[in-house]
Amino acid sequence: TQLLEQSPQFLSIQEGENLTVYCNSSSVFSSLQWYRQEPGEGPVLLVTVVTGGEVKKLKRLTFQFGDARKDSSLHITAAQPGDTGLYLCAGEGRDSSYKLIFGSGTRLLVRP
Amino acid sequence: DTGVSQNPRHKITKRGQNVTFRCDPISEHNRLYWYRQTLGQGPEFLTYFQNEAQLEKSRLLSDRFSAERPKGSFSTLEIQRTEQGDSAMYLCASSLGTASNYGYTFGSGTRLTVV
Repeated sequence: TQLLEQSPQFLSIQEGENLTVYCNSSSVFSSLQWYRQEPGEGPVLLVTVVTGGEVKKLKRLTFQFGDARKDSSLHITAAQPGDTGLYLCAGEGRDSSYKLIFGSGTRLLVRP
Repeated sequence: DTGVSQNPRHKITKRGQNVTFRCDPISEHNRLYWYRQTLGQGPEFLTYFQNEAQLEKSRLLSDRFSAERPKGSFSTLEIQRTEQGDSAMYLCASSLGTASNYGYTFGSGTRLTVV
């Protein structure tokens, strides 16, 4: 069974600080997606990483896929209150391209 | 296009009752997925349709659960004889193809509370 573990589970930081969220597995994934979810809403796709070692930037967010395609990280620079939300990583299994396996999420609170 | 639409947004039902949820995917998306999310957890895969064919069902989907996608357009998820453990957010997503190439678009979900 493929599992994704996210850390930390909760993060409360001051506006302007930097943070990193981790997503780890012992399994290899074909790709990994990062989503952000607001309370009472569905997840919204932020980025997809496919190639081992790949780095993608989305404004103040930097996403990295591990060389072995087993882990990923999300780094936010100069966090803002608008970044508050639940960040979910999701892996696409190598044997099932239609089933995403989600981590349990990192709940981020950015205080003004 | 207004994205993936789910109805109702909230449903409160008594234990033992049947409930049905509807999902309208993005019109050109041939793939449709149902996920379930409980408090403090990430979404868990329930089932997958490609056009009208249901190609995969999770072991989480007991005999009380049934999903359909007639004509490959909207989909319904029915839960019979609801139990308190069925309380969760039910999410629908659609895509043009694999997550690697296209990503998923999720709806806002239906929150089910069984009392």
